[in-house]
Amino acid sequence: EAAVTQSPRNKVTVTGGNVTLSCRQTNSHNYMYWYRQDTGHGLRLIHYSYGAGNLQIGDVPDGYKATRTTQEDFFLLLELASPSQTSLYFCASSDAGQNTEVFFGKGTRLTVV
Amino acid sequence: QQQVRQSPQSLTVWEGETAILNCSYEDSTFDYFPWYHQFPGESPALLIAIRPVSNKKEDGRFTIFFNKREKKFSLHIADSQPGDSATYFCAASEWGGGSNYKLTFGKGTLLTVTP
Repeated sequence: EAAVTQSPRNKVTVTGGNVTLSCRQTNSHNYMYWYRQDTGHGLRLIHYSYGAGNLQIGDVPDGYKATRTTQEDFFLLLELASPSQTSLYFCASSDAGQNTEVFFGKGTRLTVV
Repeated sequence: QQQVRQSPQSLTVWEGETAILNCSYEDSTFDYFPWYHQFPGESPALLIAIRPVSNKKEDGRFTIFFNKREKKFSLHIADSQPGDSATYFCAASEWGGGSNYKLTFGKGTLLTVTP
């Protein structure tokens, strides 16, 4: 079973604050993803990466930066947090070969007040 | 731009009935179509997936029907059980490999199975 670990699990920050969400996967997957989940919008892709140092822009990237420092670690950065970024954030990973199942972490609930 | 459309937004069926969840897509390059389910408080997890080399994929009580011409696919849950109550997401992607593997999800269907 693929393991994707997110931290923190819950975070409250103020408007304009800096936030970093962390994600580590231990299955040597090439791909890592950051999604946000909001009622009525489903899962929307923010950024993704297919290897260390690589970054691809997703569908809702505005206000977010991301960095893939190693094969295992993928970070999501909110440098000027806004209330509209209050959401449940999921990190996920997958292989690029025959098995394309995407494995999700447990999520980080972020509240911007 | 919503590339994967899902309906209905919510669905209630009686135990034992067949639940039918629908999705459509726009991008002709999509050739991999998974369904994920998410139970309350948990993460999404893969349920079943299809590639359009066939128009049907079965796994127990779960069946995907695929119509390439109309760019539609559906999930049928036969003999629905209360334990099937969850949010179901359809998704689409180009098949794995390369540098652009990503899933585009629909907005989800909240399924409630009433005993």
